Amino acid sequence: SYELTQPPSVSVSPGQTASITCSGDRLGNKYVYWYQQKPGQSPVLVIYRDSMRPSGIPERFSGSNSGNTATLTISGTQAMDEADYYCQAWDSSTGVFGGGAKLTVL
Amino acid sequence: EVQLVESGGGLVQPGRSLRLSCTASGFTFGEYSMSWVRQAPGKGLEWVGFIRSKAYGGTTEYAASVKGRFTISRDESKSIAYLQMNSLKTEDTAVYYCARTDYDGNNYIFDYWGQGTLVTVSS
Repeated sequence: SYELTQPPSVSVSPGQTASITCSGDRLGNKYVYWYQQKPGQSPVLVIYRDSMRPSGIPERFSGSNSGNTATLTISGTQAMDEADYYCQAWDSSTGVFGGGAKLTVL
Repeated sequence: EVQLVESGGGLVQPGRSLRLSCTASGFTFGEYSMSWVRQAPGKGLEWVGFIRSKAYGGTTEYAASVKGRFTISRDESKSIAYLQMNSLKTEDTAVYYCARTDYDGNNYIFDYWGQGTLVTVSS
């Protein structure tokens, strides 16, 4: 079965750039979706089709996908961005989530 | 405003059944697929399955971990998606989210999520 691998944790200082990676076999050939989940809340879509932002998502969120790695980048990270981030892709009509990365803003 | 409200969770013994409901409002239910995603306590998200809209055949797909035990259905007249869970195991304990699922080429987007309902499987 297809697997997506994320680092368990990522730390960033306020105002700096955070990069959260997601790795999978030939992931660049698939679309990647990113979901943000804050403690006690439901997930929220922040990036779709590798790099597209839904309406209402701040411009500081961006994404890329090439080769075996997709990256979610948060520029000018704010305290409110502290959350778990999950990458997700589809493999033959089966949804696959990465294990999630906890972003700490300190 | 899109709203998804899950219900039906609770404590159930291993081997028993439970049916979850996801009541949708604020959009044309029939135009969207609907998915279920679960999250075990302190763990990550796990895709459970989805049901396509009628326009795409109303067919279903399931994760290997639940295939043959769980069934997703939908009632267009009531704007409700269901998750019928049979032969429950302790490892099915999780918060179950329903998500509106938009078609995206050969993929799907979970663009709105409910608040989730907790299912605890324990004797």
